[in-house]
Amino acid sequence: KAGVTQTPRYLIKTRGQQVTLSCSPISGHRSVSWYQQTPGQGLQFLFEYFSETQRNKGNFPGRFSGRQFSNSRSEMNVSTLELGDSALYLCASSLGLLGSNQPQHFGDGTRLSIL
Amino acid sequence: GESVGLHLPTLSVQEGDNSIINCAYSNSASDYFIWYKQESGKGPQFIIDIRSNMDKRQGQRVTVLLNKTVKHLSLQIAATQPGDSAVYFCAEGSWGKLQFGAGTQVVVTP
Repeated sequence: KAGVTQTPRYLIKTRGQQVTLSCSPISGHRSVSWYQQTPGQGLQFLFEYFSETQRNKGNFPGRFSGRQFSNSRSEMNVSTLELGDSALYLCASSLGLLGSNQPQHFGDGTRLSIL
Repeated sequence: GESVGLHLPTLSVQEGDNSIINCAYSNSASDYFIWYKQESGKGPQFIIDIRSNMDKRQGQRVTVLLNKTVKHLSLQIAATQPGDSAVYFCAEGSWGKLQFGAGTQVVVTP
């Protein structure tokens, strides 16, 4: 069974640009969550999608948005990029919603660097 | 400017010894706990989970212990191997939330 796939693996952007990251969950998983990982803040929850609807949201500004398609694939968009957005963005999929006692399985992330 | 990173506690373990990684969680309402392992350049990998109605669960070479009285979680790794070198995260979950700890760096020495 294929794991969570994230594309691209690496991305370099400049301030003010926007970026879209993609995540394909494990087959059969309907929940997709996004996280930001930085040396300073650790793993921070961005949002969770389930059945094409955002179900939970962390404390990130509106520049961070996402969506989920009918095949459970998800995209995350960041607009008006700032230097502080440089991070590893991780996607995780699960059979159930956060808190349903189903483990989340992570992809290897997209490393985003802002110049 | 220079970025300030989280200071990860480090556990140095000799190959073949048992490792114990500790985690204090914050929310007494958390009812689901997970341990993840993250190797350099990779995403977190699920190791083992435990629900709040249990105090111990065993997997292959790993055991998780949960003490709800003091809000403490631990991961024991038996016969630690070089491939166990990684950062280990605990996570606590309740409905709609999953919060990760800062992590512990495990270094296995020959």
